[in-house]
Amino acid sequence: RKEVEQDPGPFNVPEGATVAFNCTYSNSASQSFFWYRQDCRKEPKLLMSVYSSGNEDGRFTAQLNRASQYISLLIRDSKLSDSATYLCVVIPGGADGLTFGKGTHLIIQP
Amino acid sequence: SQTIHQWPATLVQPVGSPLSLECTVEGTSNPNLYWYRQAAGRGLQLLFYSVGIGQISSEVPQNLSASRPQDRQFILSSKKLLLSDSGFYLCAWSPRAGEQYFGPGTRLTVT
Repeated sequence: RKEVEQDPGPFNVPEGATVAFNCTYSNSASQSFFWYRQDCRKEPKLLMSVYSSGNEDGRFTAQLNRASQYISLLIRDSKLSDSATYLCVVIPGGADGLTFGKGTHLIIQP
Repeated sequence: SQTIHQWPATLVQPVGSPLSLECTVEGTSNPNLYWYRQAAGRGLQLLFYSVGIGQISSEVPQNLSASRPQDRQFILSSKKLLLSDSGFYLCAWSPRAGEQYFGPGTRLTVT
């Protein structure tokens, strides 16, 4: 099993809809989790951290399920500008490095 | 505020030629610095990270090397490029675990 797995998509979603995707991780000792956004041919940018209790930032909600070892990102009222690739990041427990998922490609259609 | 610069933005190099990519960070001191590569259709691969001047950790054995001659300068080099070195090279700095702030990247094509 790969360390971090994401459905590559693409997810084609109409504008205004709600979309959610998951990221599974294999290391049960992982401590920290993040979502990044990467626009086409651009650098990734930190979107939000994922807290154990879940967290919300505007239309975006991130959740962690430790029992099943996955994190999720939910986007409500999707906008055309949400079209991007969403990368999950996991920090294995005790290590300095990050492990990036390959990303989920999201396309919001008008 | 902190900013991170990379150059060049794009580069086309023949196989066997040398490589030097530079990254500099402004607005912070003693940052943790990282080099990543993103190949077409693949995820981000950590190549090197540095916690201080002259301190380099390599994550993947390859024909690339990194150096940190100054606190806010991180250089990625190769003596002889391979076709497989093509990709999008990203430098990043991190103020705390998990938070990575990337430069604009260098798109390298080895021909």
